[in-house]
Amino acid sequence: QQPVQSPQAVILREGEDAVINCSSSKALYSVHWYRQKHGEAPVFLMILLKGGEQKGHEKISASFNEKKQQSSLYLTASQLSYSGTYFCGTEISGSNYKLTFGKGTLLTVNP
Amino acid sequence: DTAVSQTPKYLVTQMGNDKSIKCEQNLGHDTMYWYKQDSKKFLKIMFSYNNKELIINETVPNRFSPKSPDKAHLNLHINSLELGDSAVYFCASSHYQENTQYFGPGTRLTVL
Repeated sequence: QQPVQSPQAVILREGEDAVINCSSSKALYSVHWYRQKHGEAPVFLMILLKGGEQKGHEKISASFNEKKQQSSLYLTASQLSYSGTYFCGTEISGSNYKLTFGKGTLLTVNP
Repeated sequence: DTAVSQTPKYLVTQMGNDKSIKCEQNLGHDTMYWYKQDSKKFLKIMFSYNNKELIINETVPNRFSPKSPDKAHLNLHINSLELGDSAVYFCASSHYQENTQYFGPGTRLTVL
């Protein structure tokens, strides 16, 4: 089942912060975050694993609440280059590492 | 230097035709995927291969047939193309247990 992302869209001024949320109705093994710019491929940002391990981007952080089956992506001191659509992909145990993506959150950073 | 490449980048064709999209990765990964992204940007997995073996086969019409000749290549053949097949098709690859997926540039398919 598709995870739910919120908000659907957010507009920031450069330097502002944003939080993007991802929630699932299923018990998750991991949550993956990707960013896609218009006309380009999704690019990996962050993976959060059950048990607390996370790997990813230097300037972007994320959390994973296993009990609530939720993850949040924190973008601090946003830059113009952060603009794009952010997708969370969720993975459940025994799914052959299948990722199910949310509908995306469109982030626009203005000067 | 290209990690995951796809050909062609654009594909415009008539309804009823058959077409193929090719994907190659030079990352040494053992797992490859096909995704479809529709006009609303919904990214949905179609197939996944691990070491040439099909491991994920979502509810996709039989007109879509993937083939993996080796670990570095994954092709997608589509028969009898329909208007609803118009989308961007992304190939991706990963190490099976690590599952950080690297996407190719996409193939924009337009069916007229």
